[in-house]
Amino acid sequence: NAGVTQTPKFRVLKTGQSMTLLCAQDMNHEYMYWYRQDPGMGLRLIHYSVGEGTTAKGEVPDGYNVSRLKKQNFLLGLESAAPSQTSVYFCASSSSRAGTDTQYFGPGTRLTVL
Amino acid sequence: GDSVTQMEGPVTLSEEAFLTINCTYTATGYPSLFWYVQYPGEGLQLLLKATKADDKGSNKGFEATYRKETTSFHLEKGSVQVSDSAVYFCALSDNTGNTPLVFGKGTRLSVIA
Repeated sequence: NAGVTQTPKFRVLKTGQSMTLLCAQDMNHEYMYWYRQDPGMGLRLIHYSVGEGTTAKGEVPDGYNVSRLKKQNFLLGLESAAPSQTSVYFCASSSSRAGTDTQYFGPGTRLTVL
Repeated sequence: GDSVTQMEGPVTLSEEAFLTINCTYTATGYPSLFWYVQYPGEGLQLLLKATKADDKGSNKGFEATYRKETTSFHLEKGSVQVSDSAVYFCALSDNTGNTPLVFGKGTRLSVIA
């Protein structure tokens, strides 16, 4: 039981390049989330999904796109990376509403945009 | 909108000292409250939670009591260890539906031997 895994662990991009971060969970959870963590800012929600085929915007969605084609996977895309997107990205999942169920987090992806 | 305010860190304590990390919240209705912990180089993990007023969440020697009258959920531990060094996040969920968690900015704790 791997829980929540993220690929890759580290990545360096040049401004304007694109990339996709992959999140996978093996707990059959309905809800999945993408956060970014920046010094002094805590965790900020980028996008989330309440089930396969659904996505919704969070607090800071600009510059990112997401897809949830399979229940176990949640992809975060950067179409044209900018230095402001340098951050640590965390994926999380939960079985139902966040108010009653624990969110399980992946180990994070450290992204640097030059 | 809903929000969570935590005391700013970093907090540095000696081993076996008493720990308090303050957390207050603003929310309509009756939210659930959480403390998550992030150890160095790892993702967050749930430490404890409370879902209604006057509930006390506890785990690994940490405790927090849901105080509706003061809109607070302060984290406490009677005797910290070096292994407790981490970043602690207070969070809330409004329980109304699909709204995800709202996190505080985190408080870094360093415990020295």
